[in-house]
Amino acid sequence: NAGVMQNPRHLVRRRGQEARLRCSPVKGHSHVYWYRQLPEEGLKFMVYLQKENIIDESGMPKERFSAEFPKEGPSILRIQQVVRGDSAAYFCASSGDSLNTEAFFGQGTRLTVV
Amino acid sequence: KQEVTQIPAALSVPEGENLVLNCSFTDSAIYNLQWFRQDPGKGLTSLLLIQSSQREQTSGRLNASLDKSSGRSTLYIAASQPGDSATYLCAVVGSNYKLTFGKGTLLTVNP
Repeated sequence: NAGVMQNPRHLVRRRGQEARLRCSPVKGHSHVYWYRQLPEEGLKFMVYLQKENIIDESGMPKERFSAEFPKEGPSILRIQQVVRGDSAAYFCASSGDSLNTEAFFGQGTRLTVV
Repeated sequence: KQEVTQIPAALSVPEGENLVLNCSFTDSAIYNLQWFRQDPGKGLTSLLLIQSSQREQTSGRLNASLDKSSGRSTLYIAASQPGDSATYLCAVVGSNYKLTFGKGTLLTVNP
């Protein structure tokens, strides 16, 4: 039973390009969360999704950022027209249906915008 | 809005010492609390999950306690080892399923 799988592990994009980050949750988990971590800062919540639904996107910038978790396939965090300030580590976590289930994190995608 | 605070921000101890990391949260209406470990450049590894009805959980040399009414949790590490050096993060889950994190405690265990 694989854990949370994120890919790519490292992603380099030029300013103005699009970045697509993928997250496959733990098998059977229907809740997915995306977090951003900047150097020397804590984990900042971005978005919470259940299958095919965005539940809470209060931490995600309104422009250029979008997320989805389709019925089939991984969750995708998409950043359009990337800027240098988007450089960060992006982590995905998943959990089961009960509020008392453990959340598991992936290894993260480190995005560098040049 | 839930806020999580971790004290101290950094801690350096000699090998073999027992130590305590602290976590406090402003809204006591939580469903569970998790402690994680993060090594430099890596993801988060779950250490312990304490449900709101529980007072403590133990795993090996780690013991986590929860006082929900006062909004506090502690992570106790016994007989610390250099391999315990990492950032330790506390996170709480409320009814909205969302994990809210503290900024972490950077632990260094010196040989």
